[in-house]
Amino acid sequence: DTAVSQTPKYLVTQMGNDKSIKCEQNLGHDTMYWYKQDSKKFLKIMFSYNNKELIINETVPNRFSPKSPDKAHLNLHINSLELGDSAVYFCASSPLGQETQYFGPGTRLLVL
Amino acid sequence: SQQGEEDPQALSIQEGENATMNCSYKTSINNLQWYRQNSGRGLVHLILIRSNEREKHSGRLRVTLDTSKKSSSLLITASRAADTASYFCATDYLGGGADGLTFGKGTHLIIQP
Repeated sequence: DTAVSQTPKYLVTQMGNDKSIKCEQNLGHDTMYWYKQDSKKFLKIMFSYNNKELIINETVPNRFSPKSPDKAHLNLHINSLELGDSAVYFCASSPLGQETQYFGPGTRLLVL
Repeated sequence: SQQGEEDPQALSIQEGENATMNCSYKTSINNLQWYRQNSGRGLVHLILIRSNEREKHSGRLRVTLDTSKKSSSLLITASRAADTASYFCATDYLGGGADGLTFGKGTHLIIQP
């Protein structure tokens, strides 16, 4: 069984569109995260969400918004996509108070 | 920035040899972790070492931490072809809480058969 899953695996879209990436974890973890990995493999935290508290990396544009319908899901919505948004986006989760994070397989976003 | 730096950026060795990767960071931390990423896949947690620990072992992995130098090393002994991957160090720095991990740029390890 997949612990942290993301859909879609690949996403190709036009500049200016709005898109969403879904993330689900079946580990019962309390904290979920979104990371962005650029073409040079640099991985950067975008958001963390814990008990309805959202912590935002100040460098993330407000076109990106995470939505958590329940504890097991943290979806990423992106408005007005730009070329620079092309990257691999990883969802992750961790138990409350634990540091080890469990990563999803990634969503490869290409903006044309 | 808290961003860590791995060294070397790329490493190619023969199967059976040992591989050593280094990581440096900038601010005080709660712990330091190492992750592996196979090509086109997500990250997999390998080992965590806390700020009050100096060395930790897990199978063929050995991690050291020197908080005075703000550095860590990952040693993979008796390397195998399956160890080919990118390796990242990540820090959970003091006061981070749910802020997520700060990753280095990674070392790309290639094990030649």
